[in-house]
Amino acid sequence: EDQVTQSPEALRLQEGESSSLNCSYTVSGLRGLFWYRQDPGKGPEFLFTLYSAGEEKEKERLKATLTKKESFLHITAPKPEDSATYLCAVAGGSQGNLIFGKGTKLSVKP
Amino acid sequence: GAGVSQSPRYKVAKRGQDVALRCDPISGHVSLFWYQQALGQGPEFLTYFQNEAQLDKSGLPSDRFFAERPEGSVSTLKIQRTQQEDSAVYLCASSLSTYEQYFGPGTRLTVT
Repeated sequence: EDQVTQSPEALRLQEGESSSLNCSYTVSGLRGLFWYRQDPGKGPEFLFTLYSAGEEKEKERLKATLTKKESFLHITAPKPEDSATYLCAVAGGSQGNLIFGKGTKLSVKP
Repeated sequence: GAGVSQSPRYKVAKRGQDVALRCDPISGHVSLFWYQQALGQGPEFLTYFQNEAQLDKSGLPSDRFFAERPEGSVSTLKIQRTQQEDSAVYLCASSLSTYEQYFGPGTRLTVT
């Protein structure tokens, strides 16, 4: 069964304190791993797609990496506006529906 | 450009009422997905359309849930005889392909 596990559930950082969020997955034939950001009361906002082990993508203070079993979202020198829930998902099923983890709630204090 | 829009944003229904939730996808996106998100959880897949064809409805939790996309654009998720366990945020996503999906703001359904 395809499954996504994210850790930690919650992470509190001081502004400027770099850290990483983990996403472990099991899927029969990875067709893509996705990172989304979700703010309270809003829908998930697309951040990155990774397709193969070794791939990396960057956007501002965020960098996503992928291995055969997990993905990391590295946050460098975070700011309070980076506070949100970060969701990881894999493309599963025959039609590519996304299978999500429960998310990591990130809080960045000034 | 315009993103995915959903209406209403909030819906309160009494147990047993029928509700209809609307999704307007990004123009030109052939793929449309519905997800259900409970509080503190990640979204869970409900159903998938490619144009007007419903290709996967394996995630619909019961036969009270019904979705349609008759002209391959706007989609409606209907829930009949709502129950308290149906309370959740219902998210719609659209995509040019089946992979990079762009989400709407969601409809928060509360069943009292």
